[in-house]
This record gives sequence, structure tokens and C-alpha cells, in this order.
Amino acid sequence: GESVGLHLPTLSVQEGDNSIINCAYSNSASDYFIWYKQESGKGPQFIIDIRSNMDKRQGQRVTVLLNKTVKHLSLQIAATQPGDSAVYFCAEGGLESSYKLIFGSGTRLLVRP
Amino acid sequence: GAGVSQSPSNKVTEKGKDVELRCDPISGHTALYWYRQSLGQGLEFLIYFQGNSAPDKSGLPSDRFSAERTGGSVSTLTIQRTQQEDSAVYLCASSPDLNSGANVLTFGAGSRLTVL
Repeated sequence: GESVGLHLPTLSVQEGDNSIINCAYSNSASDYFIWYKQESGKGPQFIIDIRSNMDKRQGQRVTVLLNKTVKHLSLQIAATQPGDSAVYFCAEGGLESSYKLIFGSGTRLLVRP
Repeated sequence: GAGVSQSPSNKVTEKGKDVELRCDPISGHTALYWYRQSLGQGLEFLIYFQGNSAPDKSGLPSDRFSAERTGGSVSTLTIQRTQQEDSAVYLCASSPDLNSGANVLTFGAGSRLTVL
């Protein structure tokens, strides 16, 4: 079946550095992508989303990049802070599946003080 | 309510027993999802409800799993004859409008199920 996967299961960065979390998706029909952050013991929280008619979208300290040619999604976090330590999930959806979101396996981000 | 509420937060049960997990979505949200998250893993889709449409049950792992959503609001996920492999965190999420093309789900904190 279609799936969403991540290149790196764990990413360790120095506080203040920028972080880049990558995600590959396999369903070329997906037209909506979203990133979630999950802290220990909590449910996932929305970070940022992007539609397939865009290749970049910025939020507060976060940027999502979408490359439809190679079916790749990334989340960039500027000036990473200890509070950014969490597991990050990408998810994809599309009109054909009524935007049911399919999640990847997640990347753990560790921020070193 | 202000967020998605799930109960119980923790449930320990014996193999073979039935369990019910409850989800109270955000008021007015038409779409409701159940996901399962095993330790250190991603979110596995189970089922979703959208308004009065027939639910998408394509993610339910076996016929021991079922879910209902009464009155378009509260949902109950039932697992019959629980097995050890059912141990996981069960997450509920809701969203305001599945057909808007922007499906931002709000998740609850989850119900952690441990089957002994």
C-alpha cells in the first residue's frame, strides 16, 4: 500500500543550530502534507501544512519544503531550542482518499544544550 | 470542549477481556479519527467518521475491533477478546471539515492500553 517514510529516525542538533527533518512519500496523488510534533506522553500537535500547489511555506521558526518531482518533504526549524525536542511526523492526504491522513514512522529530534 | 478528550488515559487489562475507549471530539467537528501508536512507532490509521457518511473502517486490524460514533459527537472504540499485540496508545483526533482540503487534525492525549 501507499506509505510515508522518513530518512532519519533520530536527529541530534546543538541548541541554536538549524534542524532539517526529511520525509519521503510514495503516493503521487497526495496533494496535502502536514507536519506534527509529538512530545512524550502527549498527542501530536499541528506544526505546519502545505498544499501541492506550493513548494514552500513558512511559519514561526519553521519552514516546510515540498519537492513533488522526487516526492520529498522537509521541515526546517530555525534556531532550534530545547523545547523543540520531540518526535516529528509527516503525513500525507489527498482528495482521492477524502484527505484521510497517512502518517510516517517519525523522527526523534534531540537538542543538545 | 476546548480540546479532544479521551478516557481512560491508562487501561490495564487481561488477555481475552473486552475494552472500551472513549473519545469526546471538539464540539462542531464533523470528522473523527482513531489511530493506534505502538511504542516508538508511527500512527496507524484505524477508522474515521465524517458527518453522516458511512465510516471508513479500512484500517481496523481485525473483526475484534469496532467503533461507533453516536449523534455525530462522542465515539467509542471497542476491542473484544484483547490480545497482547493490542497493547498500544490509541489516539483520537477530530477536524472541522474533511472536505475543505486542509485537514488539520486536533489530537487527544491518547489512551494507553496494556494487555497482560
